[in-house]
Amino acid sequence: AQTVTQSQPEMSVQEAETVTLSCTYDTSESDYYLFWYKQPPSRQMILVIRQEAYKQQNATENRFSVNFQKAAKSFSLKISDSQLGDAAMYFCAYKEGGADGLTFGKGTHLIIQP
Amino acid sequence: DTGVSQDPRHKITKRGQNVTFRCDPISEHNRLYWYRQTLGQGPEFLTYFQNEAQLEKSRLLSDRFSAERPKGSFSTLEIQRTEQGDSAMYLCASSHHYRENTEAFFGQGTRLTVV
Repeated sequence: AQTVTQSQPEMSVQEAETVTLSCTYDTSESDYYLFWYKQPPSRQMILVIRQEAYKQQNATENRFSVNFQKAAKSFSLKISDSQLGDAAMYFCAYKEGGADGLTFGKGTHLIIQP
Repeated sequence: DTGVSQDPRHKITKRGQNVTFRCDPISEHNRLYWYRQTLGQGPEFLTYFQNEAQLEKSRLLSDRFSAERPKGSFSTLEIQRTEQGDSAMYLCASSHHYRENTEAFFGQGTRLTVV
């Protein structure tokens, strides 16, 4: 079974600084997708960024970018110019191509210090 | 359409009672998913539908759990004979099938407390 590991239960960063959240996964598949979701307190989960495994180029969405290392099965999220609104739980998730249902990590609680 | 809607938002029930939760997906989405999220954990995939067909249900936690999507629109998740271990947040999500890697849009969830 596929597993997703987030080794940082909590991270703290100063406003306007850069922070990187770590994620590793285990799979024997070659066709899969990776995601970072944000879950603010008492609000629904929203997609931050996605990466297709077949793409070598790292995905970028404004202040959010990933470092996708396929051989190492690593998928880290970098948040630049951190803002107070970035404070949330961040979940790394994996999905096989053709299959459904996301496999999530345990999450990283991101704290933004003003 | 304002997104995925779940009802109720909170449910407190006594052990042994049955509970049913409802999810209304985004109207043009033909896939609907149910997840369970316990405290300190990421969501755990339970089941999903494509239109009215339930394509995966082996991940449902026990035979006390069942889900339906009778007309391919809203879905219900029922838990029979609830146990204290069923206390969790139950999340619903929907997506459009024809875009393989499209994002799943999540609802705000139903928080179940079994006392």
